[in-house]
Order: sequence, then structure tokens, then C-alpha cells
Amino acid sequence: GENVEQHPSTLSVQEGDSAVIKCTYSDSASNYFPWYKQELGKRPQLIIDIRSNVGEKKDQRIAVTLNKTAKHFSLHITETQPEDSAVYFCAASIRVGFQKLVFGTGTRLLVSP
Amino acid sequence: DVKVTQSSRYLVKRTGEKVFLECVQDMDHENMFWYRQDPGLGLRLIYFSYDVKMKEKGDIPEGYSVSREKKERFSLILESASTNQTSMYLCASSLVASGLYNEQFFGPGTRLTVL
Repeated sequence: GENVEQHPSTLSVQEGDSAVIKCTYSDSASNYFPWYKQELGKRPQLIIDIRSNVGEKKDQRIAVTLNKTAKHFSLHITETQPEDSAVYFCAASIRVGFQKLVFGTGTRLLVSP
Repeated sequence: DVKVTQSSRYLVKRTGEKVFLECVQDMDHENMFWYRQDPGLGLRLIYFSYDVKMKEKGDIPEGYSVSREKKERFSLILESASTNQTSMYLCASSLVASGLYNEQFFGPGTRLTVL
């Protein structure tokens, strides 16, 4: 089955810096890659996603890149702010009738003022 | 606005007890999921359901069962709770739309402690 590895487990940056979180997946048939953000004490929420026919997608300060050949994808946050502090999860999915996600282990991002 | 609710935020049970965790969604979603979340292990899928009375095992189904008698409700059952089932349990739901990938909407979670 699919396996998703996520690094780093913890990331500390200063406000205004950029942050990059990387994930690798094992199954070349995976074709959908969402990112979820979980603030402390709250539920995970989708922040951005990318499909396998796209190499990069941006939404304001966040972007996701996908390298299908290397089977890895990354989340980039620019101009980080304290409210970006959260746990971020990557995931991969093979859509076979219905969508089942395999999640990475999470990255705790801490943005210091 | 999608709403996924779970029956309890915090639950304390004793070893050997039968435990029911309930999840309700109000957006007519076909898919429903149960995950457990543990530090350093991320979100791991226990069971999912793509229709009423239909269920599929996820990655860690041992020690759990599920029930989906109505479309909006998905229950997770711990037949005989054990201490290694102490965890945060998250329910999620998503819409099925042909050819599309759909966001999973999560509930607030139930933190279960088994003593």
C-alpha cells in the first residue's frame, strides 16, 4: 500500500522567513496530494491541494510543488506569520471509486515573532 | 457550511469496557472516515464507509468495528477497550463527485483515555 514520509517533524522559523515541508510517497499511481493544517486544539483543515497533472500551485503565501518522477511534493510558506504556527499534514491518494487518503506523520511549525 | 460533530470531546473508560464514538455530518456526504491521531504517527485510518451499511477496513482496524445505519451517522466501536487505544479519534466526511477529488471535513475529535 501507499506510504507517505514527511520531514521535518519540527520546524522553527522567524516571522517573515520562508518555511518548506517535504513529503515523499511510494505508490506511483497516487494522483492527488492535499495539505491539511491543524492549529492547536482544532480540527485539521484543507489549505491547498495538487493533482498529478500539475507541477505547481499557489494560493497567496502558500504554494505546493510536485515532482512525479522523484515521487515527492513540498509545501512552501513565504513571509511566515505567527498565525501560521500549527501542525501541517501532507497526504496522498489513489482515487479508486472513492477517495482514501494516506497521511504523513505531520510537521509542527513554530513561527516566532 | 459543512458541519461534522462528534458525540464527546473527552471520554474516560476502563479496560474491557465497550466504547461507542459517534459522528454526525449534516451535508449529505457519502464518504465517512474514522482516524486516530497519535503524536509522531500522524493520522491513521481505522475504517471508512462509502455508503449506508457499507464499510471498508483502513490501515489499523484491529480492535475496532464500525456501524453506518444512516447516511449522516458513522459510529466507531471499541468492543473491549484497552490502554493502547488511548488516543485522539477524528471523524471526517467527504462528498463523492465523479472524476473529482474532494476535501475531507473533520470533526473536532474525541480524546479517549482508557484506564
